[in-house]
Amino acid sequence: GEDVEQSLFLSVREGDSSVINCTYTDSSSTYLYWYKQEPGAGLQLLTYIFSNMDMKQDQRLTVLLNKKDKHLSLRIADTQTGDSAIYFCAEKDSGGYQKVTFGTGTKLQVIP
Amino acid sequence: DGGITQSPKYLFRKEGQNVTLSCEQNLNHDAMYWYRQDPGQGLRLIYYSQIVNDFQKGDIAEGYSVSREKKESFPLTVTSAQKNPTAFYLCASSTGTSGNNEQFFGPGTRLTVL
Repeated sequence: GEDVEQSLFLSVREGDSSVINCTYTDSSSTYLYWYKQEPGAGLQLLTYIFSNMDMKQDQRLTVLLNKKDKHLSLRIADTQTGDSAIYFCAEKDSGGYQKVTFGTGTKLQVIP
Repeated sequence: DGGITQSPKYLFRKEGQNVTLSCEQNLNHDAMYWYRQDPGQGLRLIYYSQIVNDFQKGDIAEGYSVSREKKESFPLTVTSAQKNPTAFYLCASSTGTSGNNEQFFGPGTRLTVL
């Protein structure tokens, strides 16, 4: 089945940029997503990118997609303490049900 | 205020008991989902429903059951057959399964088996 991998932990200093990486195996992915989860809460969609795009920018967030290498990244500029959370990468396949597969999540710790 | 709610937030169960987790949405979404979250394992799909009165097993359906009698409600029952039920359970909904398919999540229920 599909597999989505992320590193488990990232620590950055406030004001620096954060880059969270994700790799996936499904070559028929249509959409790729980044969700944010704050402690004890549900997930919230941050941004998404269609598979025929290679970059998307939304304020402090930049998503880069390398479809050949099946690699997705999320860059957060000027990282703030409020950005501390778990970030999930997810991909949607093109099959009949169009299932969304979530990664393991990367816990971002922002040091003041 | 549109949204998706789950109750209760915390739930304790004795071994051998069934327990039902509630999920309600007023977003008029057709599709609803149940996920289980364990540390370091991300989200795993338990069951999903694309439309009222229809649902399908996800990746880890054993020991769980669902119903979808109303569009806005998708309760999950954790049965005594589930070997390791202690986890954080998340419900989500979306307008459908095609297109962007943004999923909206509830706040979750943390189930602990004593």
